[in-house]
Amino acid sequence: SAVISQKPSRDICQRGTSLTIQCQVDSQVTMMFWYRQQPGQSLTLIATANQGSEATYESGFVIDKFPISRPNLTFSTLTVSNMSPEDSSIYLCSVDKNLNTEAFFGQGTRLTVV
Amino acid sequence: AQSVSQHNHHVILSEAASLELGCNYSYGGTVNLFWYVQYPGQHLQLLLKYFSGDPLVKGIKGFEAEFIKSKFSFNLRKPSVQWSDTAEYFCAVNRGYGGSQGNLIFGKGTKLSVKP
Repeated sequence: SAVISQKPSRDICQRGTSLTIQCQVDSQVTMMFWYRQQPGQSLTLIATANQGSEATYESGFVIDKFPISRPNLTFSTLTVSNMSPEDSSIYLCSVDKNLNTEAFFGQGTRLTVV
Repeated sequence: AQSVSQHNHHVILSEAASLELGCNYSYGGTVNLFWYVQYPGQHLQLLLKYFSGDPLVKGIKGFEAEFIKSKFSFNLRKPSVQWSDTAEYFCAVNRGYGGSQGNLIFGKGTKLSVKP
């Protein structure tokens, strides 16, 4: 298994500002993933972050809006930039320890933009 | 585009009732299928998964799911629910490339409320 810690657990932010969410894993993992869950919607993959390379973004998500860092095998950050109320969501970090096993999730960051 | 549909948004049951939550996916290739559960205030955790082999898979806490390839379905079942099963349940499908199970497509979730 993997224990994933996300910080902050929740935040209320002013529009136009940026928030950086941290994800710390208790063991080294190759792939880390960032998801978003908007109110009443399913979890949607934002990007995949591998250590030592640029993140791969899914359709509809861009690096300028959601820059991601992956400085080592146990840590990643997601920044939500120039926030608007539409960015109010739960953001989740996920890791995949090995091929053909399940993904593990953090508790999420509940973001409210006012 | 690939998608996952969960038929019920909110299910309310009494304890000891049987449960079946529907899940259909749209993808013609090889898939791996998952059910995740999120108890109130907790993180998502895996209930069960199907990769290959016996299409009837058993998970934790008495849950099981059946993969029916011809129907593109992976319904979750439990013969007798308990109050502690109150949670939100998510069906998910992997994207089927690279071997990683992290690239998941999720359904919108089904909230289960079990009345004591």
